[in-house]
Amino acid sequence: QPVLTQPTSLSASPGASARFTCTLRSGINVGTYRIYWYQQKTGSLPRYLLRYKSDSDNQQGSGVPSRFSGSKDASANAGLLLISGLQSEDEADYYCAVWYSNTVVFGGGTRLTVL
Amino acid sequence: EVQLVASGGTLVQPGGSLRVSCAASGFTFSSHEMSWVRQAPGKGLEWLSYISSTGNTIYYADSVKGRFTISRDNARNSLYLQMNSLRAEDTAVYSCARFPIDYWGLGTLVTVSS
Repeated sequence: QPVLTQPTSLSASPGASARFTCTLRSGINVGTYRIYWYQQKTGSLPRYLLRYKSDSDNQQGSGVPSRFSGSKDASANAGLLLISGLQSEDEADYYCAVWYSNTVVFGGGTRLTVL
Repeated sequence: EVQLVASGGTLVQPGGSLRVSCAASGFTFSSHEMSWVRQAPGKGLEWLSYISSTGNTIYYADSVKGRFTISRDNARNSLYLQMNSLRAEDTAVYSCARFPIDYWGLGTLVTVSS
């Protein structure tokens, strides 16, 4: 079982909200880790969006709008990326990552379609 | 403005070697930990290696351990990745990134093929 699991795809309408999940493998407690989120548009470099561990330990990437936010679902052992007020320009692949056992582990990515 | 630009990618035969470089600017390179990451065509992101600001601490992904070597030259604001025993599955765009990964550099394409 991978360290991080992300749904392959997500669809949402313009103006709506999108909720991305990044589920940690059983036995790895999400509360212990900073979850990093990246956005990659087609043909572009990944862009750092934010990191989230708790309400007191989080960071927004430089120039990233506040409609992008992080959270956690402890019951699901998952990190969350929330995007409100979806725009067509938000259509991209979204990756989560953690620093785990002296390695960076990326999730497989979720493709967001805004339709 | 933080800038990271990788170079040195080319076509190489299976079993061959290659060194790619990354030029850093816009921040105090010698104070920052760095990483190499790659992305195969049409695939997701894969982290490869980490190096501390002084170069004293290094980590590798299992997929490249024993084949790849990360290094840095703080005087030249440069990061390097020496890649040996290359395989077809190493074909990817290789990028350097500041660690924890908050800036991603322009990558260089490495193609391993006969």
